[in-house]
Amino acid sequence: DARVTQTPRHKVTEMGQEVTMRCQPILGHNTVFWYRQTMMQGLELLAYFRNRAPLDDSGMPKDRFSAEMPDATLATLKIQPSEPRDSAVYFCASGRMHEQYFGPGTRLTVT
Amino acid sequence: AQSVTQPDIHITVSEGASLELRCNYSYGATPYLFWYVQSPGQGLQLLLKYFSGDTLVQGIKGFEAEFKRSQSSFNLRKPSVHWSDAAEYFCAVVWNNNNDMRFGAGTRLTVKP
Repeated sequence: DARVTQTPRHKVTEMGQEVTMRCQPILGHNTVFWYRQTMMQGLELLAYFRNRAPLDDSGMPKDRFSAEMPDATLATLKIQPSEPRDSAVYFCASGRMHEQYFGPGTRLTVT
Repeated sequence: AQSVTQPDIHITVSEGASLELRCNYSYGATPYLFWYVQSPGQGLQLLLKYFSGDTLVQGIKGFEAEFKRSQSSFNLRKPSVHWSDAAEYFCAVVWNNNNDMRFGAGTRLTVKP
């Protein structure tokens, strides 16, 4: 049963620290997405990649967020420096065509 | 702007009762339509999808949805709700053959015993 995996599942950090979240997409999926979920904003698309190339990162605050896909089995989302307003659940999803399969998320708390 | 609307923030139904969750989207050519379910602390799980063909689609866990182009709607239904169906449900739409999936705000379902 192929699944998207995300690490860590939970992260608590202090303001100003760097945070790195990792995602392993389902093998064979050529599209990877990063979302952020908060109570106030709901699900927001931050960035997505197709065949490892970034296609759209317009939803991501560029001054502190960066997303990369160093190889087909790993996508990363970094926040540097982190701020309390970044506290949220970050989801990775992978897919083919228009279907997306979500990972369990990383719950980030920035104090 | 393209948008997805789920008019009901919270719905409560009794176990065994029927369920309908509403979803409307702004007009756009060739919408691809999805329903996802999210249990507390979990990611989103795909329930069903509509790309083309028969406008009534069957999904997992006994759910179905009907695409009505004239109403720009894709409502989710289940004939008999189980306590384990309590979760948050998200409608999502992809327009014009791109990968930009827009989600509704979600509907939280509570199931009464």
